[in-house]
Amino acid sequence: AQKVTQAQTEISVVEKEDVTLDCVYETRDTTYYLFWYKQPPSGELVFLIRRNSFDEQNEISGRYSWNFQKSTSSFNFTITASQVVDSAVYFCALSAYNAGNMLTFGGGTRLMVKP
Amino acid sequence: EAQVTQNPRYLITVTGKKLTVTCSQNMNHEYMSWYRQDPGLGLRQIYYSMNVEVTDKGDVPEGYKVSRKEKRNFPLILESPSPNQTSLYFCASTVSPGYSPLHFGNGTRLTVT
Repeated sequence: AQKVTQAQTEISVVEKEDVTLDCVYETRDTTYYLFWYKQPPSGELVFLIRRNSFDEQNEISGRYSWNFQKSTSSFNFTITASQVVDSAVYFCALSAYNAGNMLTFGGGTRLMVKP
Repeated sequence: EAQVTQNPRYLITVTGKKLTVTCSQNMNHEYMSWYRQDPGLGLRQIYYSMNVEVTDKGDVPEGYKVSRKEKRNFPLILESPSPNQTSLYFCASTVSPGYSPLHFGNGTRLTVT
């Protein structure tokens, strides 16, 4: 069975602070994909990034960066210089080849960025 | 515009009254899926479909039905809704499950009293 844990249910920061959202996953598969999705207050789900299990390179996109570490089964997401528009619920998700590529979501982290 | 369209956005109903939530996608995706979102539990898969006339159970299928008669449509049916099905529901589609990102509809907030 596969599992995704987002231990931080809520995080509150002040604008311009850096914030890291943790994601820890479990799978026995060696081939898998990790995703992050954002759910702003309007409710839609927006894809942010996908990473496959064979690519441990960190990725940076503007103020967003992702740190994938297979040794600790983690795929953490950092927002640098947070802004109010970053306020949202963020979901980490995992799909593994031998689990039929079913996408398993973590419980989500609600990020509140205060002005 | 490529999109997944769900209707209705909001639905309030009473226990036992059959309802259908519609889902349609215009991207010619073979894979479609339904999720429910509950606080602290993230999104859990209800049913999915790999292609027309092919459907299968996800993690929480009890109390739900689906059908896939056409590629673009994947309705979710609650034959006898109960209060524990009060939730936020999302339909999603993708070209390749597990590899490609999901395209989500805007969600349907269902309240069963």
